[in-house]
Amino acid sequence: EDQVTQSPEALRLQEGESSSLNCSYTVSGLRGLFWYRQDPGKGPEFLFTLYSAGEEKEKERLKATLTKKESFLHITAPKPEDSATYLCAVDATGGTSYGKLTFGQGTILTVHP
Amino acid sequence: DAMVIQNPRYQVTQFGKPVTLSCSQTLNHNVMYWYQQKSSQAPKLLFHYYDKDFNNEADTPDNFQSRRPNTSFCFLDIRSPGLGDAAMYLCATSRERVAGGQAKNIQYFGAGTRLSVL
Repeated sequence: EDQVTQSPEALRLQEGESSSLNCSYTVSGLRGLFWYRQDPGKGPEFLFTLYSAGEEKEKERLKATLTKKESFLHITAPKPEDSATYLCAVDATGGTSYGKLTFGQGTILTVHP
Repeated sequence: DAMVIQNPRYQVTQFGKPVTLSCSQTLNHNVMYWYQQKSSQAPKLLFHYYDKDFNNEADTPDNFQSRRPNTSFCFLDIRSPGLGDAAMYLCATSRERVAGGQAKNIQYFGAGTRLSVL
């Protein structure tokens, strides 16, 4: 069974204090790993997708990296508006023409001014 | 802007009273998904449509049904809501993968419908 574990469950940072969120996964065959941001009471917003170990993607203060067992979401000099829940999901559905995502429980990030 | 739209944003129903949630999309994606997300939990896939083909997850209760009358619309029907069905319901869409290409099956989500059961 595919499993996704995110850590920490919650992270409090001061504005400008860089840190990383972790996503560990156990799947039979990874088709893609996805990072989403979810604000309270809203649907997940797509951030990044990574397909192979060693791949990196960047967007503003966020950088996602991927190894064979885990992914990191690095947040550089965060601002209060980066406060949200960050969800990691994997697509391990080989042989199909569409993806089914298995989500982790998320990391709740709070950035204080 | 092309998007995934869910209606209503908030729905209150009574215990046992059928309720229908709506999702529409302007992305022309052929795959549509319904997820249930309870407070502080991961979204849980209930079922999905690949075009008109319906695919139910093994642990989705029989109380949950879905309809997809056309490419743009998909509905979630809860036949007899219980207190445990109170949750956020998320609709998502994606394209099918391109044969031989990298899996670009990014799922795009709507804002969700918050269901309360009294």
